[in-house]
Amino acid sequence: SQQGEEDPQALSIQEGENATMNCSYKTSINNLQWYRQNSGRGLVHLILIRSNEREKHSGRLRVTLDTSKKSSSLLITASRAADTASYFCATYLRGAQKLVFGQGTRLTINP
Amino acid sequence: EAQVTQNPRYLITVTGKKLTVTCSQNMNHEYMSWYRQDPGLGLRQIYYSMNVEVTDKGDVPEGYKVSRKEKRNFPLILESPSPNQTSLYFCASSLSAGSVNEQFFGPGTRLTVL
Repeated sequence: SQQGEEDPQALSIQEGENATMNCSYKTSINNLQWYRQNSGRGLVHLILIRSNEREKHSGRLRVTLDTSKKSSSLLITASRAADTASYFCATYLRGAQKLVFGQGTRLTINP
Repeated sequence: EAQVTQNPRYLITVTGKKLTVTCSQNMNHEYMSWYRQDPGLGLRQIYYSMNVEVTDKGDVPEGYKVSRKEKRNFPLILESPSPNQTSLYFCASSLSAGSVNEQFFGPGTRLTVL
C-alpha cells in the first residue's frame, strides 16, 4: 500500500495564482521530501522537512508538516508556466532504508 | 557536473532477451537505488545498495538483478525480460542511506518489452 498519497491528483490553475498540494502518509517518518518531475524526466529534489519541523520555506515554496495528522502540504506561490510538472511527496520510513513515494499531483499552469 | 547517468535512454526489446541498463554517479555517493514508474502506481523501488557489495531488495525485485562492484556504478539486469517489465526506470543516488539525504535521479530509461 502507498505510504504517501497526494491530493489532488491533478490541479490546473492560472499563471500567477498559488498552487497547494497535499500529502498524507500512514506511519511514523524521519522526514518528508518533495520532488518535482517534468514530463518523462528524472525527479528533482525540492525541499526536505524533518519530523520535528512544522514549516519550511525555499524561494516560492512553502512546506508544512503536521505529524499529528500525518500530512504535509506544498504551496507554490505566484505560479509560473515553468512550474507545470508532477509533484511527489516522499517519506523516509523509520528503521527502513528507503524513500517511499506517493503517486503525485499533476500541476498545470495556464498562461 | 554532479550527475547520475543512465544508458540507454530508450530501449525496445523482445521477451527473453537479456539486457542491462547502466547507472553511474560521479558524486561518490554510497547509496544507490533503482525505481520503476508506471501510470497509476507511482515510483516503486526495485533494488537498492547501501555501499559496494551491499545490495537488497526493494518492493518489486522479481525479474531483476543488480550488482555493486564499484561505488559509482549500479547496473540493473533483466535476465529474461517480459512485457510486464515495460516501464520507465530511474536510477537514483544519495550521499548515504541516512534519512536527511536527498536523492539525485538519473534522466530515466524507457523500456518496452514486446
